[in-house]
Amino acid sequence: DAGVTQSPTHLIKTRGQQVTLRCSPKSGHDTVSWYQQALGQGPQFIFQYYEEEERQRGNFPDRFSGHQFPNYSSELNVNALLLGDSALYLCASSRDNHGYTFGSGTRLTVV
Amino acid sequence: RKEVEQDPGPFNVPEGATVAFNCTYSNSASQSFFWYRQDCRKEPKLLMSVYSSGNEDGRFTAQLNRASQYISLLIRDSKLSDSATYLCVVINGSSNTGKLIFGQGTTLQVKP
Repeated sequence: DAGVTQSPTHLIKTRGQQVTLRCSPKSGHDTVSWYQQALGQGPQFIFQYYEEEERQRGNFPDRFSGHQFPNYSSELNVNALLLGDSALYLCASSRDNHGYTFGSGTRLTVV
Repeated sequence: RKEVEQDPGPFNVPEGATVAFNCTYSNSASQSFFWYRQDCRKEPKLLMSVYSSGNEDGRFTAQLNRASQYISLLIRDSKLSDSATYLCVVINGSSNTGKLIFGQGTTLQVKP
């Protein structure tokens, strides 16, 4: 039973560029949440997708957007990258009566 | 004020020591509480849920005080392998669909 898969594992981008991160949820899970974890901080909630709709959103600017596909996989897009967007981006999947499972994350470095 | 607050540490303890971590949360309507463990450059993993009655899992004991909005984690007989960051987590909605609200994390270093 595959867990949560994220790609790529590492990424280096230049300020102003755009990036897309991908997440495949654990088998049987239908809800995907994205978190940003800066160095030395706890993960911060970005948004959550369910039934291909954004169900909840944290305190992140509109530069952060996402999508969920019919197979429950999800993408996180960040436009106009800033140095401060450098972080570990975590995807977590869940389903009723099943707790959250995290992927190993994508480490984004903006230079 | 942060929704979930933890002492970031680091806590440096010898093997065999007992160590306690504390966490406070600001939303009295919070419904679910957890401790996660995160190893360096890895993803967070659920350590244990936290209940008002207190719960124990081997050397780990978690406690919730709703009146004080306070959560604790006690680790007895510390092992080198316990070295990690411990994250206090609160959910304000459904435990499976509400957003996870993380504290900053408390770093534990167990030394020989």
